[in-house]
Amino acid sequence: GQQVMQIPQYQHVQEGEDFTTYCNSSTTLSNIQWYKQRPGGHPVFLIQLVKSGEVKKQKRLTFQFGEAKKNSSLHITATQTTDVGTYFCAGYNNAGNMLTFGGGTRLMVKP
Amino acid sequence: NAGVTQTPKFRVLKTGQSMTLLCAQDMNHEYMYWYRQDPGMGLRLIHYSVGEGTTAKGEVPDGYNVSRLKKQNFLLGLESAAPSQTSVYFCASSSYPGLVSSYNEQFFGPGTRLTVL
Repeated sequence: GQQVMQIPQYQHVQEGEDFTTYCNSSTTLSNIQWYKQRPGGHPVFLIQLVKSGEVKKQKRLTFQFGEAKKNSSLHITATQTTDVGTYFCAGYNNAGNMLTFGGGTRLMVKP
Repeated sequence: NAGVTQTPKFRVLKTGQSMTLLCAQDMNHEYMYWYRQDPGMGLRLIHYSVGEGTTAKGEVPDGYNVSRLKKQNFLLGLESAAPSQTSVYFCASSSYPGLVSSYNEQFFGPGTRLTVL
């Protein structure tokens, strides 16, 4: 079945430093979604990427979808303590009815 | 709108006991999902439903049953709880998913923390 892997599993950064998490799928994805889960909270949708090579920005967050549509990345510029949480990527299967989540990257920011 | 709600928020069971987790959504979504989340792992799909009266198996369905008698509700049942089912359970809903042209995010409930002793 489809597998989605994320690295790193954990990342400690000093406030103001940049952060990147990488997502790789074993199969080609029709689209990819990113979610953020604050400690003790539930996943909240951030963005969806659809096109090969697509790049989207949300303030300090930059999302990329690979040319082969098998990988993606999330880059945060100048992290803040409010960025703390676990970031998940997720991709739909070919039938479009099941979302497979990566293991997540837990971001910790030291003030 | 309340979005997606889950009851109960916390529960402690003894091995062999049964229970039902309730999920309700008020967004008129067709699709509903049950996930479990274990420490250090992502979300794993247990069962899902593509509409009222339908259910399907996800990645880790063993030991669980589900029912979708009403469009707004999705129930997850544990017939004989085991310690391996200790986890945080999340329900989610979405409009028609997987359509490339659609903005089809999943909306998650607050979760149920279940401990099986």
